[in-house]
Amino acid sequence: ETGVTQTPRHLVMGMTNKKSLKCEQHLGHNAMYWYKQSAKKPLELMFVYNFKEQTENNSVPSRFSPECPNSSHLFLHLHTLQPEDSALYLCASSQDGGQTDTQYFGPGTRLTVL
Amino acid sequence: DAKTTQPPSMDCAEGRAANLPCNHSTISGNEYVYWYRQIHSQGPQYIIHGLKNNETNEMASLIITEDRKSSTLILPHATLRDTAVYYCIVRVSRSNGNKLVFGAGTILRVKS
Repeated sequence: ETGVTQTPRHLVMGMTNKKSLKCEQHLGHNAMYWYKQSAKKPLELMFVYNFKEQTENNSVPSRFSPECPNSSHLFLHLHTLQPEDSALYLCASSQDGGQTDTQYFGPGTRLTVL
Repeated sequence: DAKTTQPPSMDCAEGRAANLPCNHSTISGNEYVYWYRQIHSQGPQYIIHGLKNNETNEMASLIITEDRKSSTLILPHATLRDTAVYYCIVRVSRSNGNKLVFGAGTILRVKS
């Protein structure tokens, strides 16, 4: 257990559905991240939040909409996804601002888009 | 961004030390080397990090060369549960936060 939880662990959705992924960190960190890992590809950073403010968006399509209501919670709202969006979505958190802000990852949500 | 180069795969006998190399010849003076591993379909697990000096914790040791252009992660007594993808990452320092850029990593297979 890393102190970062993600729900659901598995999700199957159709292209017209709307769903949300949830991430919660119990580490008192101030930064949270969404990563995407497609099959046989390296992890790709999607979004970064510092103190609830989005500080990075890596050219992610608008069908992915992040929300960070407080430093402990991070959501990824999904809308009209494509089959190629099927992937493992990982959340991480860190205590940013120091020299060694180690990121701790959650277990991920395995998303399948039909 | 400093790039890392790792062998795509390695095998190690159970109980032996696993030595995983990483080249990072373009690393800057204030950039840290981080190691993570990912067991199949799980989230990456932090292992260790260092700047200049060698580091050791309960999981592994990190040896960084004096010129900082390469490093080696050492798992002293590999077990079957250490089979995973190991990522060597140079952490990029940015004004809007620090960033990890993951590569393909090294697939370590521990065999009995």
